[in-house]
Amino acid sequence: EDKVVQSPLSLVVHEGDTVTLNCSYEVTNFRSLLWYKQEKKAPTFLFMLTSSGIEKKSGRLSSILDKKELFSILNITATQTGDSAVYLCAVEAEYGNKLVFGAGTILRVKS
Amino acid sequence: DAGITQSPRYKITETGRQVTLMCHQTWSHSYMFWYRQDLGHGLRLIYYSAAADITDKGEVPDGYVVSRSKTENFPLTLESATRSQTSVYFCASSDYPEQYFGPGTRLTVT
Repeated sequence: EDKVVQSPLSLVVHEGDTVTLNCSYEVTNFRSLLWYKQEKKAPTFLFMLTSSGIEKKSGRLSSILDKKELFSILNITATQTGDSAVYLCAVEAEYGNKLVFGAGTILRVKS
Repeated sequence: DAGITQSPRYKITETGRQVTLMCHQTWSHSYMFWYRQDLGHGLRLIYYSAAADITDKGEVPDGYVVSRSKTENFPLTLESATRSQTSVYFCASSDYPEQYFGPGTRLTVT
């Protein structure tokens, strides 16, 4: 059974802190790993990673994939209160963009 | 309106009733998906569709039925609602690799 595990389940930080969110996976046929941000509404796409060791970056957010150790991390530097959200990791394990999601990490950034 | 919409946004129904959740997208994306989101489980795939008249089961399909006669619509029907189907339901369409999610339907089964 395909599985995606995220850690920590939740964390609280102060504005300006740097956070690292973790995602490990066990799937039979890995195609890609995706990160989504979910505020009090629908998830929105952040990154897709397919190759090990290549960092994807968007502003203060960055992510990297390790296909040997089967995990990915999402880094957020200089956190802001607007970064407060649930961060979802998902793995595409079959052709057709079918995603297996982790339970998410709840991030709260205090001012 | 452009994008992906869901209706109703909130629904309360009784155990045993049939209820249909609607999903409509204006992009003509081929792939569409139905997820449920429950605390501690993240998003779980119920059904997906690769094109009109092509649907397949996801991770948690029991108790649900889907159809897709037109590319833009992908309704989800709970044939006989149970309390365990109380959840937030998200529809999504895909412009690979990104999936665009609708605003969600919060369903409560009493």
